[in-house]
Amino acid sequence: EVQVVESGGDLVPPGGSLRLSCVGSGFTVNSTYMNWVRQAPGKGLEWVAVIFPGGSTYYADSVKGRFSISRDNSKNMVHLQMKSLRAEDTAVYYCARDPRLGWLQFFDYWGQGALVTVSS
Amino acid sequence: DIQMTQSPSSLSASVGDRVTITCRASQSISTFLNWYQQKPGQPPKLLIYSASTLQSGVPSRFSGSGSGTDFTLIISSLQSEDVATYYCQQSYTTPWTFGQGAKVEIK
Repeated sequence: EVQVVESGGDLVPPGGSLRLSCVGSGFTVNSTYMNWVRQAPGKGLEWVAVIFPGGSTYYADSVKGRFSISRDNSKNMVHLQMKSLRAEDTAVYYCARDPRLGWLQFFDYWGQGALVTVSS
Repeated sequence: DIQMTQSPSSLSASVGDRVTITCRASQSISTFLNWYQQKPGQPPKLLIYSASTLQSGVPSRFSGSGSGTDFTLIISSLQSEDVATYYCQQSYTTPWTFGQGAKVEIK
């Protein structure tokens, strides 16, 4: 059974750093496209970052230069390193798998989410 | 970035009603359009990808159509378990972008 499980959410002061982790089971994270999508309280969904099977990474403009997505193949995990955190980064962060069928991109498995609160 | 606009933002319908949600892209995205359902306190769930392909395990009362800039999600007979917020997402180009959501409630 395919599953993704996030961890690492916490309360962080503005300007602080935090690392989120996502462990996959039932598939190998380095053979697919792994994403982070966030949802601010009471708001909609915002794509944050993706790591390709080959290792290329892409980011939303809102986090570029502050967030970094990486992968640990030995542990079947994906990480999101977040720096210079702002109040507007407060959100539930979901790890989501994109199986990429040919040209078709979509998120087929999502974790339960990790809550990041940026506040003093 | 491609902007996705959904309408209505919320609706109330009776069990058994046909429900239609629309999604408009700010530029043509062919059929690179996905739909998700999010129930309160849960992560989103994929319903439809490539505008009209039903994800495995999703009830057949859900259907999607459209191409270019205009897309539709239809629930043919609304059930109580369909109470949720529905999001469209374009998969034409990064950054992947979502609509603002359409909240469906039971009247």
